[in-house]
Amino acid sequence: SQKIEQNSEALNIQEGKTATLTCNYTNYSPAYLQWYRQDPGRGPVFLLLIRENEKEKRKERLKVTFDTTLKQSLFHITASQPADSATYLCALGGTASKLTFGTGTRLQVTL
Amino acid sequence: DTAVSQTPKYLVTQMGNDKSIKCEQNLGHDTMYWYKQDSKKFLKIMFSYNNKELIINETVPNRFSPKSPDKAHLNLHINSLELGDSAVYFCASSQDSSDGHTEAFFGQGTRLTVV
Repeated sequence: SQKIEQNSEALNIQEGKTATLTCNYTNYSPAYLQWYRQDPGRGPVFLLLIRENEKEKRKERLKVTFDTTLKQSLFHITASQPADSATYLCALGGTASKLTFGTGTRLQVTL
Repeated sequence: DTAVSQTPKYLVTQMGNDKSIKCEQNLGHDTMYWYKQDSKKFLKIMFSYNNKELIINETVPNRFSPKSPDKAHLNLHINSLELGDSAVYFCASSQDSSDGHTEAFFGQGTRLTVV
């Protein structure tokens, strides 16, 4: 069966360090992959999209990699700040604009 | 000028009741969605409409009926509410693109509690 896995446990890192979040999937052949941020009591907010033929995408302090052989995406936040604390969701895209989300990883950045 | 707005934000109701959640987007998008996020924070698609036409219906009980009067609105009606329907329901929209790859814009969510 199809499965998208993200670290279920919270990731705690110190301010200024690089946070790396993992998204692994099985039995999928996504055309693209997206990352979203969700704050408590709010809806997810889009961050980055990467296509199946792209290896890496960057936006300011964010970087996403996509390895279709390993069936894995890594999401990096460099120079992390307490304001980056949130839950981060990966989502795989297929036909008909359908997004299938992972369970999310909660990131906590401390001073 | 909220992009995707849904009402109400909170909804507490008794088992067996019928309730509706409304959603409107002012982004001019062609596609709208309903997602359900359970207590474990797992976000799962329920329905998708493109230009008022149903295109995704993900094994949702037929007590749930989406209605799209126009492409800016997608409402969710739930009949005979059950305890297991308690969750946060998110409306979202996206714009069709030539390669089908597009970001989704989410509303703030409706927390439904069935007692």
